[in-house]
Amino acid sequence: QQPVQSPQAVILREGEDAVINCSSSKALYSVHWYRQKHGEAPVFLMILLKGGEQKGHEKISASFNEKKQQSSLYLTASQLSYSGTYFCGTAWYNNNDMRFGAGTRLTVKP
Amino acid sequence: DAGVTQSPTHLIKTRGQHVTLRCSPISGHKSVSWYQQVLGQGPQFIFQYYEKEERGRGNFPDRFSARQFPNYSSELNVNALLLGDSALYLCASSLSFREKLFFGSGTQLSVL
Repeated sequence: QQPVQSPQAVILREGEDAVINCSSSKALYSVHWYRQKHGEAPVFLMILLKGGEQKGHEKISASFNEKKQQSSLYLTASQLSYSGTYFCGTAWYNNNDMRFGAGTRLTVKP
Repeated sequence: DAGVTQSPTHLIKTRGQHVTLRCSPISGHKSVSWYQQVLGQGPQFIFQYYEKEERGRGNFPDRFSARQFPNYSSELNVNALLLGDSALYLCASSLSFREKLFFGSGTQLSVL
């Protein structure tokens, strides 16, 4: 019942772009994105509630395709501070809790 | 405002023992969720409590139990500890269901 994330890991140079994908086998109510840095707790980035919705946070944005039950996180002009593990969390219509994917480890190098 | 606080931060136990982990949510948050995170993996859902009632349970054995108190703080109890229970246990609070989660720093449990 967990969402599936891809890729598992990404290595970028500063200024490059990346896309992280999240898909669910069940109808999605909402998708959350979190970032966790090594040794720290996950930190909320954004929530997407409606099909086709796109939201942005600095140079990080995301889309949510309700029909395909997928969400994508877009990181543009990456900075060193973007390094960390990104998790998507999914909430479904028939339950109240949130399930997380296995994570995508993003490394940004100078 | 204080964030989500968890105690203790680190714990070492031996197999067969039991453990109690504690969590205080952000003031005003009525929902508390517990997650288990093994190194290199995503948080695995254990329990969700809202208004002192269990509202969701993940795929964990009955050795795991939890409760939420009238002040919305919460405890996670694990009995008959196994080596495989070694993990970071995260507590997250939110205003309600499906709202954004605010995580505590976690309790690192080591079972020897």
